[in-house]
Amino acid sequence: EAGVAQSPRYKIIEKRQSVAFWCNPISGHATLYWYQQILGQGPKLLIQFQNNGVVDDSQLPKDRFSAERLKGVDSTLKIQPAKLEDSAVYLCASSLRVSYNEQFFGPGTRLTVL
Amino acid sequence: GNSVTQMEGPVTLSEEAFLTINCTYTATGYPSLFWYVQYPGEGLQLLLKATKADDKGSNKGFEATYRKETTSFHLEKGSVQVSDSAVYFCALSSTSGTYKYIFGTGTRLKVLA
Repeated sequence: EAGVAQSPRYKIIEKRQSVAFWCNPISGHATLYWYQQILGQGPKLLIQFQNNGVVDDSQLPKDRFSAERLKGVDSTLKIQPAKLEDSAVYLCASSLRVSYNEQFFGPGTRLTVL
Repeated sequence: GNSVTQMEGPVTLSEEAFLTINCTYTATGYPSLFWYVQYPGEGLQLLLKATKADDKGSNKGFEATYRKETTSFHLEKGSVQVSDSAVYFCALSSTSGTYKYIFGTGTRLKVLA
């Protein structure tokens, strides 16, 4: 069974530029999550999708971050414009359903904002 | 709100030493509890979980018991190996609503040969 795929693995941009991350969850997983992991901290949930609907985006900085999950499969997370404090690893995870007791994580995208 | 506190690292041990990584939580209701492990350059992997009080999760020689009276879920292993070197995250999930995960800050373990 293929795991959660993410790309790119690394990205370096200047502040005020835009960037997009892509995630392909495990086949059949209805729930998809985007986390931000700042160095030395645990992952923080940015947004949670159930199929193509948003379940929780309470910690997503909506003035600069956006995410979509068209057709309830792949997802993209965008930052526009980026700030220095956005430097982090962005993790995508998926699970069978919202109440399923295990999330499967991708390798993450390490973003550096200069 | 819900929160997870875990001991700060790094923890450095010799091979075959006993490991304990402390984790305590604050939550309303009866959350599920997890330990995830992150090896260098990889994503998080579920190590073990417990879904109710007094449950013991175990995997690969690691164990943790859900202690509601002390709101704790400490990770233990009797004999660590160099290959156990990684960052360990304690997490909880609410068992209603969005089943949101809250992670601790992580504890880096380094095992020396």
